[in-house]
Amino acid sequence: AAGVIQSPRHLIKEKRETATLKCYPIPRHDTVYWYQQGPGQDPQFLISFYEKMQSDKGSIPDRFSAQQFSDYHSELNMSSLELGDSALYFCASSLRAGPTFFGQGTRLTVV
Amino acid sequence: GENVEQHPSTLSVQEGDSAVIKCTYSDSASNYFPWYKQELGKRPQLIIDIRSNVGEKKDQRIAVTLNKTAKHFSLHITETQPEDSAVYFCAALPTSHSGYALNFGKGTSLLVTP
Repeated sequence: AAGVIQSPRHLIKEKRETATLKCYPIPRHDTVYWYQQGPGQDPQFLISFYEKMQSDKGSIPDRFSAQQFSDYHSELNMSSLELGDSALYFCASSLRAGPTFFGQGTRLTVV
Repeated sequence: GENVEQHPSTLSVQEGDSAVIKCTYSDSASNYFPWYKQELGKRPQLIIDIRSNVGEKKDQRIAVTLNKTAKHFSLHITETQPEDSAVYFCAALPTSHSGYALNFGKGTSLLVTP
């Protein structure tokens, strides 16, 4: 079965640079979520989209933005990167209030 | 907002023993409670879930129980195996806002020793 696809898997950026993470949800899933997970921590919700419209906002910094495109893929844009942004970033998708499935994640390292 | 508390933070059991992880939630309107298993550096994987209209659900060696009155739910793993070693997260789906983002507990690091 098709899963949530994220790219890239690994990313190394310098402080103050920008990064763009991509996510392709499971086909026919109408809701996409972005989570950030620091070492030894639980996933922290950043933002979600339902049918390409932003539906909920969590602890997403103002330096980050996200959008969902007409083909349902989503991108998380991160600017003015800080050392503390180093984390695993997961995209997940669901069919509305159905089970949520996670992608393999992007490991972002800011140096 | 929804607050999910999870205990214990670490759990060590001998292979073949049972493991129990407990979670409590604060939003009485929450109606969906999944459990995820996460191995180091990998994605959280959904292993079992339960909705508020059900008190118990079982899938082979894994079971989840829900007590809506007490607002707590538990994961039970029987006949544990070394490959069950991972971090387990409980989550709750709050219904007090428009989104469907899960609120996670802090996780339980389970170690199954041979």
